[in-house]
Amino acid sequence: QKEVEQDPGPLSVPEGAIVSLNCTYSNSAFQYFMWYRQYSRKGPELLMYTYSSGNKEDGRFTAQVDKSSKYISLFIRDSQPSDSATYLCAMSVGPPGTYKYIFGTGTRLKVLA
Amino acid sequence: GAVVSQHPSWVICKSGTSVKIECRSLDFQATTMFWYRQFPKQSLMLMATSNEGSKATYEQGVEKDKFLINHASLTLSTLTVTSAHPEDSSFYICSARLDRGHDTQYFGPGTRLTVL
Repeated sequence: QKEVEQDPGPLSVPEGAIVSLNCTYSNSAFQYFMWYRQYSRKGPELLMYTYSSGNKEDGRFTAQVDKSSKYISLFIRDSQPSDSATYLCAMSVGPPGTYKYIFGTGTRLKVLA
Repeated sequence: GAVVSQHPSWVICKSGTSVKIECRSLDFQATTMFWYRQFPKQSLMLMATSNEGSKATYEQGVEKDKFLINHASLTLSTLTVTSAHPEDSSFYICSARLDRGHDTQYFGPGTRLTVL
C-alpha cells in the first residue's frame, strides 16, 4: 500500500462547477499537508498548506484535513478552464528542520468551457 | 517572493555524456534544496536532499555516484547526471525550502533531460 493514495483521474467538469480533489494517507506521522498545481511540463506551484484538522480557505480554494480519517481534500469553487492542470497532494514527515515530502500521484483535472 | 529557477529548461545529450543542472533560489536563502525526478504521468519521486556545505542525503535506490549533488552556496545547488543513459531521460525538478515558518518547499520549473 502506498503511503499516499490519490485518484489519477482524469476528472472532467464543466466551467463553473465545484471540484473536489482528495487524498488518503496511511502514515499518522505526517504533519503538514500541501496542495500543488502543476501545468504540463512545468514545476509544481504551491496552492495551499495546512497543519491541523479543519478547513482553510484562500479565494476559490478550500483545503480540508481530517486527521482522524487520514483524508485531505481540495475544493475549487467556480472552476475555470485555466484551472485545468494536475493537482498534487503532498505531506511532510520527519523531525523539525529535516522534513521531506511524500507526494500523491496527482489528479488530472480538465475544466471544459 | 520565493522564486526558484532551473537551468537549463531542457537538454538533449548523447549516451555516456554528463549533464549538469542548476537550481537557484532567486529571492531567498535556502539551507536545504531537494531534487526530484518525475516520469510521464507519474508523481514526483524524491532523489536526494541537498544541504548547503555538507554531503547530500540520497533516497534508497538512487545511485550517489551517478547523480552528483553539490550545494556550494545558500542559493545554488547543482545536480550532475554522470554517464547518462536513455533510462535517465526524465523531468528533473528541484525545490528549495524556505528556512522559516512552516517549512514549505518552492519548486523550480523543471529540466527535461533526453538521452539519445
